[in-house]
Amino acid sequence: KAGVTQTPRYLIKTRGQQVTLSCSPISGHRSVSWYQQTPGQGLQFLFEYFSETQRNKGNFPGRFSGRQFSNSRSEMNVSTLELGDSALYLCASSLRSRGGTNNQFFGPGTRLTVL
Amino acid sequence: SQQGEEDPQALSIQEGENATMNCSYKTSINNLQWYRQNSGRGLVHLILIRSNEREKHSGRLRVTLDTSKKSSSLLITASRAADTASYFCATVRNFGNEKLTFGTGTRLTIIP
Repeated sequence: KAGVTQTPRYLIKTRGQQVTLSCSPISGHRSVSWYQQTPGQGLQFLFEYFSETQRNKGNFPGRFSGRQFSNSRSEMNVSTLELGDSALYLCASSLRSRGGTNNQFFGPGTRLTVL
Repeated sequence: SQQGEEDPQALSIQEGENATMNCSYKTSINNLQWYRQNSGRGLVHLILIRSNEREKHSGRLRVTLDTSKKSSSLLITASRAADTASYFCATVRNFGNEKLTFGTGTRLTIIP
């Protein structure tokens, strides 16, 4: 099975622009979660999508949004970019089966640099 | 915000020695997981321990969990150069919840 893939791997944007990141989960996985990693704040949960619905949300401003498609692929969007949005954005997929504790599998991340 | 902290922040040991990392967290949990990250890449899941378990082994890894002290430790035995990485603990608060709350991480360097 192919692992979690994220595109693009690297991205450079300027302040005020918007950006869309993509995540393709492992085949059969229906849950996709997004995390932001920065040197100052560490790894922080952004949101989780399951069956095209946002199931959980972290403490981030409304500029951060996401969605999930019927094939479980997910995108996250950041509007009006700020310098502080520079980070490694990681997505993780899991089965999210009922009655189970599901291991999450992470993608390689998208490194976003805001100039 | 992060769930807790890991100790030490950085650790350097000789190849072949054992490495121990500690993690503390703040709230009740359903389970605690350990992840490895190489040079700012994706996270690799190492081991999961449930709140009703006290110790778990996987290959050269040994994890303990003390829910009364809200702490966990990860022991890597017979370290190898390839173990050089950052190690993070992450907690899941409720059963069925996918959200991982990460600790601050320990940077482990194995000296050949």
